[in-house]
Amino acid sequence: AQTVTQSQPEMSVQEAETVTLSCTYDTSESDYYLFWYKQPPSRQMILVIRQEAYKQQNATENRFSVNFQKAAKSFSLKISDSQLGDAAMYFCAYRSGAEGYGNKLVFGAGTILRVKS
Amino acid sequence: DTEVTQTPKHLVMGMTNKKSLKCEQHMGHRAMYWYKQKAKKPPELMFVYSYEKLSINESVPSRFSPECPNSSLLNLHLHALQPEDSALYLCASSQDVRSPLFFGPGTRLTVL
Repeated sequence: AQTVTQSQPEMSVQEAETVTLSCTYDTSESDYYLFWYKQPPSRQMILVIRQEAYKQQNATENRFSVNFQKAAKSFSLKISDSQLGDAAMYFCAYRSGAEGYGNKLVFGAGTILRVKS
Repeated sequence: DTEVTQTPKHLVMGMTNKKSLKCEQHMGHRAMYWYKQKAKKPPELMFVYSYEKLSINESVPSRFSPECPNSSLLNLHLHALQPEDSALYLCASSQDVRSPLFFGPGTRLTVL
């Protein structure tokens, strides 16, 4: 079974600075997808960024970028120029590319990000 | 329209009540999901409805029952719930079984 590990329960960053959230995963599959979701205090789960395993190029979305190391099974999220609105719980998630059980989204435990002004 | 809507936003019910949560998406997505989330924990998958087929997490008690009236609607019927069922219930949809999930705002359920 696939597992996702987020080893940082909480992180803090100063406004306008850069922070990196860690995520590692365990799988024997070659076809899969990785995601970062953000859940602010409102508790709406928002997709931040996605990465297909077959793509070598790291995904970027404005101030958000990932460092995808497939061999190391690592998928970290870098947030540049941090803003107060970035404060949230961040979940790393894995999704198999194979059929079955609706391709369950496997979540990590989450990292709470605090942004200081 | 890239939105998943859920009603109600908040629900308080007694253990003998019957209630329903509703979820709707107009993105033409082929898969819809129900998740349960406790505070500061990741969401837990309850049900998946994809390509007109329902998949159930076997650990979900029978007091929860999903219903999919059509491809854009997914309901969750609640009956004889327990206080430990109090949680945030999230609905999500995806284009297909490989695409990312898009979540609704959730229904905050309290069982007294």
